[in-house]
Amino acid sequence: GAVVSQHPSWVICKSGTSVKIECRSLDFQATTMFWYRQFPKQSLMLMATSNEGSKATYEQGVEKDKFLINHASLTLSTLTVTSAHPEDSSFYICSARDVGTGGFGELFFGEGSRLTVL
Amino acid sequence: SQQGEEDPQALSIQEGENATMNCSYKTSINNLQWYRQNSGRGLVHLILIRSNEREKHSGRLRVTLDTSKKSSSLLITASRAADTASYFCATLPSGTYKYIFGTGTRLKVLA
Repeated sequence: GAVVSQHPSWVICKSGTSVKIECRSLDFQATTMFWYRQFPKQSLMLMATSNEGSKATYEQGVEKDKFLINHASLTLSTLTVTSAHPEDSSFYICSARDVGTGGFGELFFGEGSRLTVL
Repeated sequence: SQQGEEDPQALSIQEGENATMNCSYKTSINNLQWYRQNSGRGLVHLILIRSNEREKHSGRLRVTLDTSKKSSSLLITASRAADTASYFCATLPSGTYKYIFGTGTRLKVLA
């Protein structure tokens, strides 16, 4: 199957700093990528839809100024957690859908990034 | 937002037994997928079943879909300790492009 690479896999930062997480589709093009957040022993909650060449679409309750998303190319989307606070500590996962599947195919997931804010 | 409900929330079985997990959803869908997640890791795709399909198999996995009941089940036969993980269903509601994940079932297979 297609590969989605997410980096870094874990990061520890001080409160007030910003952290950038990258999501890359390695062997396919993805006009759309999705960012999820997962708390321990809970399901994935969709945060936003990242659209190549345009603004991201955020889910209700997600602060767009807090979670900046940039989808600069067909293979890269980044999520920046700005002015991070301990409550932002979580597991962040990106996913992408192969354009070639016509938009209804399986999602391919990155390995996730565990953010810990001290 | 709509979210699928999965049951049971947790399941503990002996190696060699079958494990069945159920997923129910609320609106009509384009397709439904099952994913597996090992602790602290990303999600691995298991099976995609389209709304016009009723059953699919992949190795020891069997997925059924009943659109009239808005439910799906995942059966893992002859379970192994390595099957221990969380399993999630994800639905693509008709007319949308965003998958919605279920609450998940935590499966533990005892050796």
